[in-house]
Amino acid sequence: RKEVEQDPGPFNVPEGATVAFNCTYSNSASQSFFWYRQDCRKEPKLLMSVYSSGNEDGRFTAQLNRASQYISLLIRDSKLSDSATYLCVVAERRGGSQGNLIFGKGTKLSVKP
Amino acid sequence: EAQVTQNPRYLITVTGKKLTVTCSQNMNHEYMSWYRQDPGLGLRQIYYSMNVEVTDKGDVPEGYKVSRKEKRNFPLILESPSPNQTSLYFCASRYWSSYNSPLHFGNGTRLTVT
Repeated sequence: RKEVEQDPGPFNVPEGATVAFNCTYSNSASQSFFWYRQDCRKEPKLLMSVYSSGNEDGRFTAQLNRASQYISLLIRDSKLSDSATYLCVVAERRGGSQGNLIFGKGTKLSVKP
Repeated sequence: EAQVTQNPRYLITVTGKKLTVTCSQNMNHEYMSWYRQDPGLGLRQIYYSMNVEVTDKGDVPEGYKVSRKEKRNFPLILESPSPNQTSLYFCASRYWSSYNSPLHFGNGTRLTVT
């Protein structure tokens, strides 16, 4: 059973497009959620945390749906520089304390001119 | 500057020759973790540590050892490297006390075992 699942893509979109990624998680007690961005052969970097009420950072919007156990990332007005792999990360909860961080395999985005 | 430092960045070695990849963080983070990344397989966790002297196996611990004697350091040891351990390795750390604390990554170590 995969704990964090993402559509691997690739998503090939034109500049200016709006693109959305979803990520599902299996542990209903999961506590924290993040989106990371990884450029080819570089270290992953935090794009944004995902809060219960949803949050926005410029062209990026993250949403959490606890009932359906998924998080989403929306990118508006895509830029060439958005081309990367987007990783979904979920922090488990075990008992009353934090557990491990679980990574999805990532969704590859390619923005074309 | 707050950072996670891995060394070396690149390493080419031969089968069976013991090696250690070092990881150090200067942010007083409780949690540290090692990952390997291979094409098509995403990031796979090798070992993690929730605090000093506390380590746990991740998804792919076979062939690796770790230790956490001090809070800042979390070395990855390959006692007898084999070619299937050729990979890109990342170390990462975060605060454990805050649920929304993000993971900070090192720059990666590219290991080739011939």
